[in-house]
Amino acid sequence: QVQLQESGPGLVKPSETLSLTCTVSGGSMSPYYWSWLRQPPGKGLEWIAYMFYSGSTIANPALERRATISVDTSENQFSLRLSSVAAADTAVYYCVRGTRHVDFDYWGHGTLVTVSS
Amino acid sequence: ENVLTQSPDTLSLSPGEGATLSCRASHTITSNYLAWYQQKPGQAPRLLIYEATNRATGIPDRFTGSGSGTDFTLTISRLEPEDFAVYYCQQYGGSPLFTFGPGTRVDIK
Repeated sequence: QVQLQESGPGLVKPSETLSLTCTVSGGSMSPYYWSWLRQPPGKGLEWIAYMFYSGSTIANPALERRATISVDTSENQFSLRLSSVAAADTAVYYCVRGTRHVDFDYWGHGTLVTVSS
Repeated sequence: ENVLTQSPDTLSLSPGEGATLSCRASHTITSNYLAWYQQKPGQAPRLLIYEATNRATGIPDRFTGSGSGTDFTLTISRLEPEDFAVYYCQQYGGSPLFTFGPGTRVDIK
């Protein structure tokens, strides 16, 4: 059974860069789709970006100037970098796998990132 | 952007009752790429239904997805205690590529 685990700082200062890593265990990264989504406390879900295991990426236009995702298939990891963060970026961040390119079938537990000085 | 609207906001029901949740899109969803997720407090969402009508692996048959075009429905035939949660619909296509509805909360009456 594939498992995903997010890791990274739980507190980031405004204007700095948020960096998270997702470690995938129990399965290969190919030939799947890998995404980052987030959920502000008490609110709904927002898709940030996704990539095919080969490295091609697509980001949410609302975030694409600030969001970068990358994959390291040799380490079974993929990462998110979100630059110039503000309080509105405070959220639980999820790493997610898609067997199909159109939905999300395996989720990490999520990690809360708070943006505050 | 393909905006998804879910109704009702909250559904208060008793175990054993049936539930009908609605998801309406502002534009036609290509190839019925509409999914439903269940989220319990403190947990990640779980995929229930994909491509409008297909149950995901391990999902009980009391969950049924239907609909096409812009109007979709998730039906839970007989609510079990573990079904009380928030349900989100999600579409694929357009820009941004993925959008979610605001959710419907199913509460115990």
